[in-house]
Amino acid sequence: RKEVEQDPGPFNVPEGATVAFNCTYSNSASQSFFWYRQDCRKEPKLLMSVYSSGNEDGRFTAQLNRASQYISLLIRDSKLSDSATYLCVVNDGTSYDKVIFGPGTSLSVIP
Amino acid sequence: GAVVSQHPSWVICKSGTSVKIECRSLDFQATTMFWYRQFPKQSLMLMATSNEGSKATYEQGVEKDKFLINHASLTLSTLTVTSAHPEDSSFYICSARGFRHRSYNEQFFGPGTRLTVL
Repeated sequence: RKEVEQDPGPFNVPEGATVAFNCTYSNSASQSFFWYRQDCRKEPKLLMSVYSSGNEDGRFTAQLNRASQYISLLIRDSKLSDSATYLCVVNDGTSYDKVIFGPGTSLSVIP
Repeated sequence: GAVVSQHPSWVICKSGTSVKIECRSLDFQATTMFWYRQFPKQSLMLMATSNEGSKATYEQGVEKDKFLINHASLTLSTLTVTSAHPEDSSFYICSARGFRHRSYNEQFFGPGTRLTVL
């Protein structure tokens, strides 16, 4: 089993749609969780950290379920500029520093 | 603005040559730097972790004699791909972690270096 798994995608949605990404991780010792976005041929950029209580930033909502080892990202009212690959990132549980990237889910928002 | 820079942004070289990639943190001291590699349509894979002034810790399967990492100062780490071969062609990305704006949790990524070995 891969350490971090994500929906295979790609997701093609119309502008204004709500889209949800799912991620599962295998290491129960993981303590830090993030969502990054990566545009084509660019570096990843932090979208948001994910906290146990769930957190929201504008149109983006992240949820964490430690018991199920599951993380989600919800994007409401999607914009063309949201088109990117969304990476679920989890620390490896043995080191504060090391993180593991999921394979990513590609999103295309269509006019 | 950018907080981590990489140089060069792209490089094309002949097989057998060595290539050095620099990663700099611009407005903070990076106690830890990470080097990742990303092949087309794949996610980032951690190659090694380096702490300033100490030897890098390499991930399983990454040859330390082929990928030389130096983290000589708190703002600079270098990755040298020695005797590069076509299979080393990839997108190499560094990230840096340190105290910036009182936050330590975030890794700041460089823009990446696209290496093509002919």
